[in-house]
Amino acid sequence: GQNIDQPTEMTATEGAIVQINCTYQTSGFNGLFWYQQHAGEAPTFLSYNVLDGLEEKGRFSSFLSRSKGYSYLLLKELQMKDSASYLCAVLDSNYQLIWGAGTKLIIKP
Amino acid sequence: GAVVSQHPSWVICKSGTSVKIECRSLDFQATTMFWYRQFPKQSLMLMATSNEGSKATYEQGVEKDKFLINHASLTLSTLTVTSAHPEDSSFYICSARVVHEGAPYEQYFGPGTRLTVT
Repeated sequence: GQNIDQPTEMTATEGAIVQINCTYQTSGFNGLFWYQQHAGEAPTFLSYNVLDGLEEKGRFSSFLSRSKGYSYLLLKELQMKDSASYLCAVLDSNYQLIWGAGTKLIIKP
Repeated sequence: GAVVSQHPSWVICKSGTSVKIECRSLDFQATTMFWYRQFPKQSLMLMATSNEGSKATYEQGVEKDKFLINHASLTLSTLTVTSAHPEDSSFYICSARVVHEGAPYEQYFGPGTRLTVT
């Protein structure tokens, strides 16, 4: 079966750095997405990785290791507005997005 | 950028009635749209994949006669919840697939529709 694992909840302090991990086992791989979802709102796109390595975009970076079936989202200089759920999703061999359950990130002052 | 709208943003209806939710791609043509349902504190659950001009493909466990999907044009897909019951109360989100070099098969999401059935 297809499976995506990420922690249910994480807590971090404003101004700090947090890393949200995602491991996956899917039938094929055509890329991995990270989305941010604030409570009561739809997800918004953060990043896309298809090759191994680190992609940096401002305060957010995403890393992928295809051989390990592993990705992480790194958030730097945390702000209160970063409190949200972060969803990891893998595009499988049928180009269908397989979603993780999401990681709720709580930022404390 | 690609914008997807959804209407209505929230709706309250009585048990037994039907509700139609519209999903529109505003500045691009979407050959493929997706309908998701999300219960509180849970992840997105794909209900169906909608391709323009053809019948929708429903995920296992989703009743196609209860959740009617129509994708009549490249910019509009509709989801009709027929004979709604309180257990259908949920957050319904549509998305449209955009194929571009930066992130092939990226999905842009509509703002969602919160359905409450009383």
